[in-house]
Amino acid sequence: EVQLVESGGGLVQAGGSRRLSCAASGFTFKNYAMGWVRQAPGKGLEYVSTISVSGIETYYADSVKGRFTISRDNSKNTVFLQMNSLRADDTAIYYCAKVRIPGGKDYFGSWGQGTLVTVSS
Amino acid sequence: DIQMTQSPSTLSASVGDRVTITCRASQSISGWLAWYQQKPGQAPKLLIYRASNLEGGVPSRFSGSGSGTDFTLTISSLQPDDFATYYCQQYHSHGTFGQGTKVEIK
Repeated sequence: EVQLVESGGGLVQAGGSRRLSCAASGFTFKNYAMGWVRQAPGKGLEYVSTISVSGIETYYADSVKGRFTISRDNSKNTVFLQMNSLRADDTAIYYCAKVRIPGGKDYFGSWGQGTLVTVSS
Repeated sequence: DIQMTQSPSTLSASVGDRVTITCRASQSISGWLAWYQQKPGQAPKLLIYRASNLEGGVPSRFSGSGSGTDFTLTISSLQPDDFATYYCQQYHSHGTFGQGTKVEIK
């Protein structure tokens, strides 16, 4: 069974940093691209970032480009999201997600339960 | 960037109703579209990919259609478990979600 467990959320001051982690199990992690999707309180889903199987190719939404960095450690089955220069509008639940098939395009067949990041101004 | 527009934003319906949700892309995305269902307090769940392919375990009352810029999600006979918010997502160029359609009890 696929499991994605996020951690690292919490309360952070505006301008601060936070590193989210997502521990994966139940599948061959190194074969799947991964991503992060966020949801502000009471709002819709926002596609934040994705990373290829090798970690070489990455994508960022314009809203986080230059502030967030996605990375992965295939030896530890973990994907990370380093968030710097946080703003109040970064407050959201951050979901870790796995693309549906190896080598597949960036839509997500499995999701974690999310971790809440609250940025106080 | 590709923009996705869903309609309606909210839909009131009764159990047994046929429900249709529309998603429009700002440019052609071929058939690279997914639909998700999200219930309060839960992560999204993939329902349909490649515009019309049902994910495993998803009831057959759900169906998707469309290509290019216009897509629809149809629930043939709404069940109590289907009251939720639905999102489309294009993955022709990275990814963009629609703003969501909340299906509520009439």
